[in-house]
Amino acid sequence: GAGVSQSPSNKVTEKGKDVELRCDPISGHTALYWYRQRLGQGLEFLIYFQGNSAPDKSGLPSDRFSAERTGESVSTLTIQRTQQEDSAVYLCASSLLWTNSYNEQFFGPGTRLTVL
Amino acid sequence: DAKTTQPPSMDCAEGRAANLPCNHSTISGNEYVYWYRQIHSQGPQYIIHGLKNNETNEMASLIITEDRKSSTLILPHATLRDTAVYYCIVGLRGAGNMLTFGGGTRLMVKP
Repeated sequence: GAGVSQSPSNKVTEKGKDVELRCDPISGHTALYWYRQRLGQGLEFLIYFQGNSAPDKSGLPSDRFSAERTGESVSTLTIQRTQQEDSAVYLCASSLLWTNSYNEQFFGPGTRLTVL
Repeated sequence: DAKTTQPPSMDCAEGRAANLPCNHSTISGNEYVYWYRQIHSQGPQYIIHGLKNNETNEMASLIITEDRKSSTLILPHATLRDTAVYYCIVGLRGAGNMLTFGGGTRLMVKP
């Protein structure tokens, strides 16, 4: 079956512009995560959605960052008034949510954002 | 406030075993050890996880010391396609187990 998909694969924008990044999780996966990976660094957790519960936004770096998810489907990460330090690869992952087993996270290919 | 410590890079000859160490001296009793890897320009890929017993699957083996303060990921017969950054992660199992990735170990498998 299809894996996690993300679009666009690459995005170049000018400082101050808003951008929207999209994630299509694996069908049936109730949990969805967004991470950021700066060049040469590990992943930073941004936000987590679990079914219809309120999202865990503890990793969002500023109020310029927001994300939405409708039910158990597509999620959109929005960055307003982009800054050069926002340049990174933004990765989305999804997983099942069995409480008594490990919920492997399946990652998408990422969106490479470049802010000029 | 890193929970794990890994060497930044390692080399391994093709066909030989690759042994990747990880220190996690502050691990708590209910935290698991997870390993993911990231091949260049791709998203991370799950490899294996364990609590205290050694684990093996089709990809790798995970050896956890008795005091659980360190572990080793073993790729028994490394191939060129195993060249990647390997991340050792400590965390809780269950819902919302967002992963905290450190710098990882960049494994270079050489012919």
